[in-house]
Amino acid sequence: DTGVSQNPRHKITKRGQNVTFRCDPISEHNRLYWYRQTLGQGPEFLTYFQNEAQLEKSRLLSDRFSAERPKGSFSTLEIQRTEQGDSAMYLCASSSGQYNSPLHFGNGTRLTVT
Amino acid sequence: AQSVAQPEDQVNVAEGNPLTVKCTYSVSGNPYLFWYVQYPNRGLQFLLKYITGDNLVKGSYGFEAEFNKSQTSFHLKKPSALVSDSALYFCAVSRGTGANNLFFGTGTRLTVIP
Repeated sequence: DTGVSQNPRHKITKRGQNVTFRCDPISEHNRLYWYRQTLGQGPEFLTYFQNEAQLEKSRLLSDRFSAERPKGSFSTLEIQRTEQGDSAMYLCASSSGQYNSPLHFGNGTRLTVT
Repeated sequence: AQSVAQPEDQVNVAEGNPLTVKCTYSVSGNPYLFWYVQYPNRGLQFLLKYITGDNLVKGSYGFEAEFNKSQTSFHLKKPSALVSDSALYFCAVSRGTGANNLFFGTGTRLTVIP
């Protein structure tokens, strides 16, 4: 399978703990996105990378959230001092550099903060 | 600013009947519109997009969508629904800046009744 891969699929953590998610995009894609999806809502944009450069961050991305893509390949999303409101599905997507090429999504990481 | 509205939370249709899932948009400048489908506990799968050209766009799995500039709509259609089409459908709009950043509607759950 050469699609977007996300790990872990599920994460349960206690409030106040730190968590880190990983995303491996489609290998030839230079753009990588993180979205958050809560129940009954559409995905909401969090941040976007072109190669290793983080080019845009949503105001939803508080200072407890940090994302990296150190070598322009895989990316990590870390949430520090988790809160119950962080419980959501975190989706990663990648796309090629072509203008308005579609985003290809992974299956997501479901985070539950207890 | 850009936004997408999906006025129906739920659409039910009998198998074999035509289906329509509605979407209206608001965007400054030219709209770049997308439809995605989401199956339970999965990421989003790209169905089709409108960038420019013909107002009727054909996509995956027999789906098509009609772009109507005067009504600012981009409704998803299929001539004959299958039970396997039952899923959550999201309309999305891009800012068209080349960043491929998508803004999603809240989704419409389609149920095809055998």
